[in-house]
Amino acid sequence: GQQLNQSPQSMFIQEGEDVSMNCTSSSIFNTWLWYKQDPGEGPVLLIALYKAGELTSNGRLTAQFGITRKDSFLNISASIPSDVGIYFCAGRLYAGNNRKLIWGLGTSLAVNP
Amino acid sequence: DAGITQSPRYKITETGRQVTLMCHQTWSHSYMFWYRQDLGHGLRLIYYSAAADITDKGEVPDGYVVSRSKTENFPLTLESATRSQTSVYFCASSVDTGREKLFFGSGTQLSVL
Repeated sequence: GQQLNQSPQSMFIQEGEDVSMNCTSSSIFNTWLWYKQDPGEGPVLLIALYKAGELTSNGRLTAQFGITRKDSFLNISASIPSDVGIYFCAGRLYAGNNRKLIWGLGTSLAVNP
Repeated sequence: DAGITQSPRYKITETGRQVTLMCHQTWSHSYMFWYRQDLGHGLRLIYYSAAADITDKGEVPDGYVVSRSKTENFPLTLESATRSQTSVYFCASSVDTGREKLFFGSGTQLSVL
């Protein structure tokens, strides 16, 4: 089936550092979403992107919809311990009535205080 | 509290037994989903429902049964549990226009011995 390549798989950083992660695919998407999953909880939506080139921020988080429609990026500035968790990208294919979401495998983030 | 709730939080069962996982949402969202989360596989869609009495298969429906007699409830039944169904199960819901913005429950951790 369709896959999203999410990288890196894991990151271990110092508090205060900036973080970058991305999602790529060989297919074109018309929606990109970024979710965060805290330990023991379900994923929570962080940012939704609907237009190629769109740049959207949510506090210290900024996400971009790649201009090729095949990728998306998430940046976290000045990380803090509560940023720990798994970050998932998800996308909806640009294909008629196909409304199913495709999920990446996640980027696990650890922050050293 | 309003939102989406899953029960039980943890469940241990034996191979061959029937198990039902419950999901209840208070938002009156039309769409509801069941996902399973496994290491190395990310989130995989089991079943989804567009409205009461309307359900459809996702990526990995085999061995599972769903029903949706009321908009707010979407139970997932494992008819004859197998060890391969050991997983964390998440229920999610979304509004009509924009199924991409999913709201997840806290999950049920199921162990099949």
